[in-house]
Amino acid sequence: GAGVSQSPSNKVTEKGKDVELRCDPISGHTALYWYRQSLGQGLEFLIYFQGNSAPDKSGLPSDRFSAERTGGSVSTLTIQRTQQEDSAVYLCASSPLAGMVGETQYFGPGTRLLVL
Amino acid sequence: DQQVKQNSPSLSVQEGRISILNCDYTNSMFDYFLWYKKYPAEGPTFLISISSIKDKNEDGRFTVFLNKSAKHLSLHIVPSQPGDSAVYFCAARTLGNTDKLIFGTGTRLQVFP
Repeated sequence: GAGVSQSPSNKVTEKGKDVELRCDPISGHTALYWYRQSLGQGLEFLIYFQGNSAPDKSGLPSDRFSAERTGGSVSTLTIQRTQQEDSAVYLCASSPLAGMVGETQYFGPGTRLLVL
Repeated sequence: DQQVKQNSPSLSVQEGRISILNCDYTNSMFDYFLWYKKYPAEGPTFLISISSIKDKNEDGRFTVFLNKSAKHLSLHIVPSQPGDSAVYFCAARTLGNTDKLIFGTGTRLQVFP
């Protein structure tokens, strides 16, 4: 079956604009995660969904960042009033069920965001 | 504070030899460790993992060793192949209701003929 897909693959925007990034997880996966990778850094956790609820939003860097998930499937990460420091690769991952040892997270190809 | 550290940003190894990638962590609550491999313009792909109750896990050419007392783990690839050239990320997890992964900054492995 299909893996995790993300769109767009690349996004260039001007400082101050809003952007929406989309993630389609693997069908049937209940857990969904957003991470970002800034230049020269490791992956940084942003938010976790179990179904449509987000029990862990601790990684969102500011209130300009928000995310939602509908129908237990597609998720959208929204960044309002983008800043240059938001430039990064935003990665989405899904797993069948969180809280189980051995459940691997499967990553999408990422969205490369550049804020000019 | 970097809870997971990969102190070597790059490693170059000849084909057929052993590649050893290292990772250190600070949080004693981590109970599961994973290695991911990442090619350019692709998302990370899962490689191998180890539970904190074990000290070794092997899968084909890949072996992960865990030294809990030293808070250190390593990934051994033997024999190394040119297709192994990628960025390798060490990640750790605290089992709970989120299972978020804490990643290191990665080590770029280059395997040359």
